[in-house]
Amino acid sequence: GAGVSQSPSNKVTEKGKDVELRCDPISGHTALYWYRQSLGQGLEFLIYFQGNSAPDKSGLPSDRFSAERTGGSVSTLTIQRTQQEDSAVYLCASSLRTGVVYFGPGTRLTVL
Amino acid sequence: SQQGEEDPQALSIQEGENATMNCSYKTSINNLQWYRQNSGRGLVHLILIRSNEREKHSGRLRVTLDTSKKSSSLLITASRAADTASYFCATGFNTDKLIFGTGTRLQVFP
Repeated sequence: GAGVSQSPSNKVTEKGKDVELRCDPISGHTALYWYRQSLGQGLEFLIYFQGNSAPDKSGLPSDRFSAERTGGSVSTLTIQRTQQEDSAVYLCASSLRTGVVYFGPGTRLTVL
Repeated sequence: SQQGEEDPQALSIQEGENATMNCSYKTSINNLQWYRQNSGRGLVHLILIRSNEREKHSGRLRVTLDTSKKSSSLLITASRAADTASYFCATGFNTDKLIFGTGTRLQVFP
């Protein structure tokens, strides 16, 4: 079956613009994660959705970042008024309630 | 903040040698996982070990878990150039989010 997909694969934007990153998880996976990875760094947790529970937003770095998950499936991460420090690879992942987490290929965001 | 920290941060070895990476974590877990990342994009799951397990094998991979020391190790035996990648540990508790460590960059020279 299909894995986790993300779009776009690359996004270049100007400082101050808003961007939307999309994630299509594996069908049936109840958990969905967003992580951010700056060049040569580890994964920074952003937000976690589990079923119908309230999302864990504790990793969002500022109120410019938001995410939603519609119908328990597709998720969109929105960054408003982008800054240069937002440049990174944004990784989405999904899993069943417990166990292995499957990652998408990521969206490389470059803010000029 | 990161839950786990890998040690060493970087490791360079020759093909055929064994590579050992360590991971320490801070809070209670019910599983620990190791992932590999090539060229800074998506991560690939390698192995999962549950908190009631002490050792697990998968091919050339051997993972140990010591919950009393809150640490885990990943051993890659008979390394190959294709093993060159970054390796991350990740810890979870029940349905909680996975928290990743800082990673070990492994370079295997042919």
